[in-house]
Amino acid sequence: SQQGEEDPQALSIQEGENATMNCSYKTSINNLQWYRQNSGRGLVHLILIRSNEREKHSGRLRVTLDTSKKSSSLLITASRAADTASYFCATDDTGRRALTFGSGTRLQVQP
Amino acid sequence: DSGVTQTPKHLITATGQRVTLRCSPRSGDLSVYWYQQSLDQGLQFLIQYYNGEERAKGNILERFSAQQFPDLHSELNLSSLELGDSALYFCASSVEQGWQEKLFFGSGTQLSVL
Repeated sequence: SQQGEEDPQALSIQEGENATMNCSYKTSINNLQWYRQNSGRGLVHLILIRSNEREKHSGRLRVTLDTSKKSSSLLITASRAADTASYFCATDDTGRRALTFGSGTRLQVQP
Repeated sequence: DSGVTQTPKHLITATGQRVTLRCSPRSGDLSVYWYQQSLDQGLQFLIQYYNGEERAKGNILERFSAQQFPDLHSELNLSSLELGDSALYFCASSVEQGWQEKLFFGSGTQLSVL
């Protein structure tokens, strides 16, 4: 079962525009992470935000976390064609002692 | 390059067969995780090993087994393969037992069961 669910499932934008992806989860968490996956490749860690943090930045990435709504958002500013990939949120499932991944958002950035 | 090595990259086999997927974690990482990615199930956690011992189990079928060797490399054995086992299998590693922390993923093994 998926702990996190991303929204939208797919997103197509033009280069230079901002891309926002959302993640909702069901249980209490200690932290939430975002990963990127280029087509058919391994996942790459982007950013981790802890439950006591509300916002975090890394380069062109901005992540917010609202534990009261059990949701997070990933904002990519000034997108580039190279940002084309699938983006997944992952939460720490204490019941399984494992990271549980959402279903992902497929981002297409048109040059 | 994440530093996690998976072999082979592609594997094509027939139903009923058995295959072994291999993973070498990043230097210094003691934990190894196996994930299965398919179109219908998404990314599913299978199993975790830490320093040779099983630490967590997810949606791993009884036909599947794994182990981690003294040199810390890990193998995932899939037996009595079915068409539905076709998927991308990822190995990931992390420092110590840090399953809540950042994972480093290999590039995966694409398994096709015909």
